[in-house]
Amino acid sequence: DTGVSQDPRHKITKRGQNVTFRCDPISEHNRLYWYRQTLGQGPEFLTYFQNEAQLEKSRLLSDRFSAERPKGSFSTLEIQRTEQGDSAMYLCASSLRGDTGELFFGEGSRLTVL
Amino acid sequence: AQKVTQAQTEISVVEKEDVTLDCVYETRDTTYYLFWYKQPPSGELVFLIRRNSFDEQNEISGRYSWNFQKSTSSFNFTITASQVVDSAVYFCALPPLDDYKLSFGAGTTVTVRA
Repeated sequence: DTGVSQDPRHKITKRGQNVTFRCDPISEHNRLYWYRQTLGQGPEFLTYFQNEAQLEKSRLLSDRFSAERPKGSFSTLEIQRTEQGDSAMYLCASSLRGDTGELFFGEGSRLTVL
Repeated sequence: AQKVTQAQTEISVVEKEDVTLDCVYETRDTTYYLFWYKQPPSGELVFLIRRNSFDEQNEISGRYSWNFQKSTSSFNFTITASQVVDSAVYFCALPPLDDYKLSFGAGTTVTVRA
């Protein structure tokens, strides 16, 4: 399967712990996006990369959040000192630059902060 | 700023009934794209359709059709002869002109009963 894959699919952690999510995009896609989705809401944009460059970060992305895409392939999203309000589904998507808006999403990583 | 409103929270129908999902959007861009995505219980968002603001012609693709009316800023989506597999959350989305990070509506949950 050559779709977008995310790991882990589920993560339960205690408040104050750090967590890291990984996303492997479709191999030829140069754009990679992170979104956050809470129950009953649509996905909210967090950040995106073109190749290894992080081009935009939402104001939703506090200082406790950091995302990287070191070699322009996979990406990681780390949340430090997690809070209960961080509980959500974290979605990764990829696309080809210039391809008008068709994003390919992974199945998401669900975070529960106790 | 882009804004997408999906006023319907939930719709429940019996199999073979038609389902129409409403979407109203706000944008300052004169040229834009509109999208519908489907999110089945597995969680992975799936691209359904994309429409360019230049083209208001309504189309049918299989059991899907859409009604784009620029004058009322609406982009409604219809599933004809619904099936149980159509049960999912459906999102309308709109990107800014200069990028493809999508702004999603809150979603409409469609339940198709056998």
